[in-house]
Amino acid sequence: GAVVSQHPSWVICKSGTSVKIECRSLDFQATTMFWYRQFPKQSLMLMATSNEGSKATYEQGVEKDKFLINHASLTLSTLTVTSAHPEDSSFYICSALPIRAGGYHEQFFGPGTRLTVL
Amino acid sequence: AQSVTQLGSHVSVSEGALVLLRCNYSSSVPPYLFWYVQYPNQGLQLLLKYTTGATLVKGINGFEAEFKKSETSFHLTKPSAHMSDAAEYFCAVSYNDMRFGAGTRLTVKP
Repeated sequence: GAVVSQHPSWVICKSGTSVKIECRSLDFQATTMFWYRQFPKQSLMLMATSNEGSKATYEQGVEKDKFLINHASLTLSTLTVTSAHPEDSSFYICSALPIRAGGYHEQFFGPGTRLTVL
Repeated sequence: AQSVTQLGSHVSVSEGALVLLRCNYSSSVPPYLFWYVQYPNQGLQLLLKYTTGATLVKGINGFEAEFKKSETSFHLTKPSAHMSDAAEYFCAVSYNDMRFGAGTRLTVKP
């Protein structure tokens, strides 16, 4: 149980194009999903917190107009990198927080999406 | 605010030797602490977690960690390293969101 998928697993695009990455919780519902970015040989940095039915909350320094997040259902959040540039090339990882009455806050992580912008 | 600090960006041990990866946390509320492992070009795999209760937590692949509130630490150990343990290890603290340490790359020498 508690499986999170991401699609695509890798994508190569041309500079200036937009790329959409999907994050799905396969066997549970999640009101909250998180998007992280990981540059080579670095740690995961939280980009934004996505809440179902409301606007995402972005971390300081993350451009909300460049990284569009939509959390339209309890099992799906999408991250769209608009007008991608080579510096956006990175490993993008999502996680989902199950709806849970009380208890601890364990997130379940997707396998990641490798974005390469040429 | 919460944060974790991993001491040592790179740890190298011989196969069969003790593995010790250090993590100290800062949290204004009782922390939930996690250790993850990441192999190249892959996502995160949960090794173990501390939420409440027993302070010595056992995880997968022979790893364990001890929550020490007085030292604000959550160090990861394994009695005997295996070649397959070579990977990147991340300590994380969570309450409303999760914050990761910088990571420690473990190298295992034959």
